[in-house]
Amino acid sequence: DTAVSQTPKYLVTQMGNDKSIKCEQNLGHDTMYWYKQDSKKFLKIMFSYNNKELIINETVPNRFSPKSPDKAHLNLHINSLELGDSAVYFCASSPGGGVNTEAFFGQGTRLTVV
Amino acid sequence: SQKIEQNSEALNIQEGKTATLTCNYTNYSPAYLQWYRQDPGRGPVFLLLIRENEKEKRKERLKVTFDTTLKQSLFHITASQPADSATYLCALGGGKLIFGQGTELSVKP
Repeated sequence: DTAVSQTPKYLVTQMGNDKSIKCEQNLGHDTMYWYKQDSKKFLKIMFSYNNKELIINETVPNRFSPKSPDKAHLNLHINSLELGDSAVYFCASSPGGGVNTEAFFGQGTRLTVV
Repeated sequence: SQKIEQNSEALNIQEGKTATLTCNYTNYSPAYLQWYRQDPGRGPVFLLLIRENEKEKRKERLKVTFDTTLKQSLFHITASQPADSATYLCALGGGKLIFGQGTELSVKP
């Protein structure tokens, strides 16, 4: 019954590794997002997809590559992980084009790069 | 650049009192503003949305005001309870959500 689910919940990995975080929503929403929450609790948008098309791509290193195989899934692949990538990553979804509507968030993936 | 600030990092109040949280923004004219609640280890949960042409919105013990002249939103929780303790985030919208850093509210019995 989970609306927005992401896996894994915790991820500990070494610098230089490549890792992926998966996200799925069963709400039938058209728009999905990836947000990053740093140690100071700031929640910043990274990417937004609408019906599998990328519509927002903030200033994010190109080591981060989102992939949306269908509108219910939005995965995040990170290459060559760095210490500064350690954060909590949240997936979210919203209906319509994502404008003027609430966002539904997953429980987050805490990524620790050592 | 767009900037959004929430009044303080932490707010401590006594149970039964009204909690008032502030959200100020600059260099932006949002079409709407949202408030979310975030508990430790969890994702934000939507509480209220208020549009630029609305002055006030209520939901049970929650009230939000939106003053586009002052570029400010106030979030009130009346008759606060210990269960209201959490971090509250405001977010500006208009194409993408821009979040403030959050205010951690602690309600003491």
